[in-house]
Amino acid sequence: DTGVSQDPRHKITKRGQNVTFRCDPISEHNRLYWYRQTLGQGPEFLTYFQNEAQLEKSRLLSDRFSAERPKGSFSTLEIQRTEQGDSAMYLCASSSGNSPLHFGNGTRLTVT
Amino acid sequence: AQSVSQHNHHVILSEAASLELGCNYSYGGTVNLFWYVQYPGQHLQLLLKYFSGDPLVKGIKGFEAEFIKSKFSFNLRKPSVQWSDTAEYFCAVNVGPGNTGKLIFGQGTTLQVKP
Repeated sequence: DTGVSQDPRHKITKRGQNVTFRCDPISEHNRLYWYRQTLGQGPEFLTYFQNEAQLEKSRLLSDRFSAERPKGSFSTLEIQRTEQGDSAMYLCASSSGNSPLHFGNGTRLTVT
Repeated sequence: AQSVSQHNHHVILSEAASLELGCNYSYGGTVNLFWYVQYPGQHLQLLLKYFSGDPLVKGIKGFEAEFIKSKFSFNLRKPSVQWSDTAEYFCAVNVGPGNTGKLIFGQGTTLQVKP
């Protein structure tokens, strides 16, 4: 068990630019989740995949956000035309069956 | 909409003091309940969970929590805290059957333990 890996750890970008984050889940986990956490708040659910299928998206996920998990293994989260309000920690987690979530260390996005 | 409320935002204790962190949720149906901890510089880790059965659940590092259905509460307790318990603590709820990964988190409680 090597844990959930996220890359990059930090990303600073200018408003209007596109950014992409990657998540590598624990290898035997078929479910993968994206959460967003802003300062002083708990994580908020964004979306999740079971294998390669994206089964649910939160209303928080605007049209500028897109997530993929093409082969049912790693996932990417892309934000287009970033806004300052997108600045947050983006967390990835994985699980299988009814097991609890295993979280990665997150990608901290700063939009200037 | 479902929500989770953590009463204490910042708690400061001395070592060996007892700890109780409050958590209330708003949902009338079946829930799964969790406490996660985030130590400085580390990822969120599961402390304990409640799915069903004995409402008093024990987790890692001497933590326990009690599910009181009538009060919609799931308070976290530890009889004697240590400096190493300094961390942020999150209560979370999952509603309905099946997908236990879609969680609603509280805003967190920062615990500072003074040596």
